[in-house]
Amino acid sequence: EVQLVESGGGLVQPGGSLRLSCAASGFTVSVYYMSWVRQAPGKGLEWVSGFYSGGNTNYADSVKGRLTISRDNSKNTLYLQMNSLRAEDTAVYYCARGTSSYYYFDSWGQGTLVTVSS
Amino acid sequence: EIVLTQSPGTLSLSPGARATLSCRASQSVSSIYLAWYQQKPGQAPRLLIYGASSRATGIPDRFSGSGSGTDFTLTISRLEPEDFAVYYCQHYGSSPLWTFGQGTKVEIK
Repeated sequence: EVQLVESGGGLVQPGGSLRLSCAASGFTVSVYYMSWVRQAPGKGLEWVSGFYSGGNTNYADSVKGRLTISRDNSKNTLYLQMNSLRAEDTAVYYCARGTSSYYYFDSWGQGTLVTVSS
Repeated sequence: EIVLTQSPGTLSLSPGARATLSCRASQSVSSIYLAWYQQKPGQAPRLLIYGASSRATGIPDRFSGSGSGTDFTLTISRLEPEDFAVYYCQHYGSSPLWTFGQGTKVEIK
């Protein structure tokens, strides 16, 4: 069974840092495109960053230079290092697996809440 | 950047009714890049439809997708109690690569 479990969210002050983790089971993360998608409270979905099976990464313009995605194949885990956090980064962060075509996301974790506030 | 606009914002219907949700793209897109998701309160989104009209694994056949160009539709033929949720359309290929509509809430009338 495919499972994604996020962790690492919490309350952080503006300008602070946080690292999110997404532990995968039931499949190998290095074979798929893996992504982070966020949802601000009461709002819609926003793609944040992704990690291709070949190692390339991409980011939404709103987070470029502040958030860094990485992957540990030995732990079958995806990470999101979040620096210089702003109030507008407050959201539930979901880890999602891309389909083989990577056009869509066919498996999602339950999400982890990041709150940026003083 | 392609903008996806969903309508209506909220759809109030009774169980057993037919639901028709719209997703309009700001410019013509290939249907292969269009998907629909369902999200229930406190839960992660779930892929329903991909390629505009193909049902994802395990999705009941009361869910169907159609459309091309700029206009796409998600239809739920007969609403079951578990179908009351928020639905998002999603497109791949513009900048940013993955964009979502703002969502349509299907609520019990």
